[in-house]
Amino acid sequence: DADVTQTPRNRITKTGKRIMLECSQTKGHDRMYWYRQDPGLGLRLIYYSFDVKDINKGEISDGYSVSRQAQAKFSLSLESAIPNQTALYFCATSDSKGARTTDTQYFGPGTRLTVL
Amino acid sequence: KQEVTQIPAALSVPEGENLVLNCSFTDSAIYNLQWFRQDPGKGLTSLLLIQSSQREQTSGRLNASLDKSSGRSTLYIAASQPGDSATYLCAVRVSNYQLIWGAGTKLIIKP
Repeated sequence: DADVTQTPRNRITKTGKRIMLECSQTKGHDRMYWYRQDPGLGLRLIYYSFDVKDINKGEISDGYSVSRQAQAKFSLSLESAIPNQTALYFCATSDSKGARTTDTQYFGPGTRLTVL
Repeated sequence: KQEVTQIPAALSVPEGENLVLNCSFTDSAIYNLQWFRQDPGKGLTSLLLIQSSQREQTSGRLNASLDKSSGRSTLYIAASQPGDSATYLCAVRVSNYQLIWGAGTKLIIKP
């Protein structure tokens, strides 16, 4: 089984609908992240969480909210979806015990979201 | 503000060739630079991580170099194979949580 899973893998929705993307991990990592990827652009950070009680905005948090239900679960919500939120969304995890110079992030397979 | 650029955006080469992918960044204040591979439907996988104090890292047919002073990194792939076809992303770590990403190079290896 994959260490980082995302559900759903694909979702088509309409403008104005509320959408939740879910991420679960079995790596035992304390840090979790949500990114979006758009064609021709690098990944951009939406939110990150260092533990269950520590949630922080990334560079593009407007229009999104998150919930860290447990150390292993981190959900991303679009309260009222709009077409420019159409993108590929990735969840990632990392271990705070890793050194800044050497640790890396582990990614889920992504959720392709289309907002019509 | 840190910016990461990858050129070219796409590259197609015959199987067996050696090739180089390029990554440039604007601020040398980084903790490390990583190269990732992205396969459709499978997420991103870290290939090589070069610490800011290092010059290069090698893994199998892959070799990544880092020149902080010039803000450049290269990923060298030897004896390319069709299975190397993927999008290759580079990212620089600038804080305890933030990676700044390039847009990637889509590599196609023709049999």
